[in-house]
Amino acid sequence: DTGVSQDPRHKITKRGQNVTFRCDPISEHNRLYWYRQTLGQGPEFLTYFQNEAQLEKSRLLSDRFSAERPKGSFSTLEIQRTEQGDSAMYLCASSFTGKHGYTFGSGTRLTVV
Amino acid sequence: KNEVEQSPQNLTAQEGEFITINCSYSVGISALHWLQQHPGGGIVSLFMLSSGKKKHGRLIATINIQEKHSSLHITASHPRDSAVYICAAPPHGTDKLIFGTGTRLQVFP
Repeated sequence: DTGVSQDPRHKITKRGQNVTFRCDPISEHNRLYWYRQTLGQGPEFLTYFQNEAQLEKSRLLSDRFSAERPKGSFSTLEIQRTEQGDSAMYLCASSFTGKHGYTFGSGTRLTVV
Repeated sequence: KNEVEQSPQNLTAQEGEFITINCSYSVGISALHWLQQHPGGGIVSLFMLSSGKKKHGRLIATINIQEKHSSLHITASHPRDSAVYICAAPPHGTDKLIFGTGTRLQVFP
């Protein structure tokens, strides 16, 4: 297992376009988390899944954002009608119940122009 | 006021110096995490601790649950320690991490 993989590493998109990011967690991990980090700030929680169930969503996750984990393995995060304020690093992490620590991916850096 | 706060925000040091980064939190937690983030974004987990002290190489993390305070120490700092160090914790009853804003450490030769 090569850890948590995120794709793409970088995405530049024009305002108003839709983008989708993918996260492949560690295979034994049942929990998957999405965070967003803007420049100079710590990451902020967006949402998390246990297997395929989305257990919690942040108020930061407007109706333009949707996340899925259809088979309890990889997850996708989609942003519709992107805005410049969506420019950030989107981080994915996975854990086994959260009690044994978290493993983070390298992130997807989104730039909306 | 953030639920997890760190100090200092920025720290510069000469190679070989002893480094201390502090983290205080205002919510009930069962464990606290120290993370390292290098330019480019990837985050590496350094420690997860719920009491006492842990040591890994030149890194030492301590936590005082009663005082809601944790520290990360780096002994004999080296330029390769230059990174952003972040403390984070999941409040009781949830699995999501709440992060501090990070401490940017630069160690000069």
